[in-house]
Amino acid sequence: EDKVVQSPLSLVVHEGDTVTLNCSYEVTNFRSLLWYKQEKKAPTFLFMLTSSGIEKKSGRLSSILDKKELFSILNITATQTGDSAVYLCAGGSQGNLIFGKGTKLSVKP
Amino acid sequence: DARVTQTPRDKVTEMGQEVTMRCQPILGHNTVFWYRQTMMQGLELLAYFRNRAPLDDSGMPKDRFSAEMPDATLATLKIQPSEPRDSAVYFCASGFGGPNEQFFGPGTRLTVL
Repeated sequence: EDKVVQSPLSLVVHEGDTVTLNCSYEVTNFRSLLWYKQEKKAPTFLFMLTSSGIEKKSGRLSSILDKKELFSILNITATQTGDSAVYLCAGGSQGNLIFGKGTKLSVKP
Repeated sequence: DARVTQTPRDKVTEMGQEVTMRCQPILGHNTVFWYRQTMMQGLELLAYFRNRAPLDDSGMPKDRFSAEMPDATLATLKIQPSEPRDSAVYFCASGFGGPNEQFFGPGTRLTVL
């Protein structure tokens, strides 16, 4: 059965800290790994990764995929209180996306 | 600014009542997904359609849930009869299917008393 597992389940840091969120996957006919950010509403898209070893960056956020070890990480540097959210990882196959349960990040001032 | 819309945004109903949720996908997207999100289970896929045809509804309790796409601009999710355990946020998302990005609507928060 396909599955996506995220760790840690929750994390509390202080502003300015750097965090790493983990996502491991077992997805049949794997094609892509996606990261979403969910605040109090709908998930919003962050990154889509399809190739190993190529880092994607957007401001203070970056992500990389390892297709050999079947995992991805999402890094956030110099965290801000606005980064507080649930971060969802999803594995994409031919059919659709399989979501992990998310990592809840709380950034304290 | 194209976005997925969902109605209603909030619904409170009593056990046994019928609930219908509606979704308008982004114009041009050929795949529509219905998800349910709870604290315990996270985001669960209920059903999805490609080019209006149902492709997978294995995540849906068949005896009480039904999903349809009467046309390319409207997807519906119906629960009849509703039960307290159906209380959750129901998201609709649209995209081009497969491993590609999905765009989520704002969700319908359903509370069944």
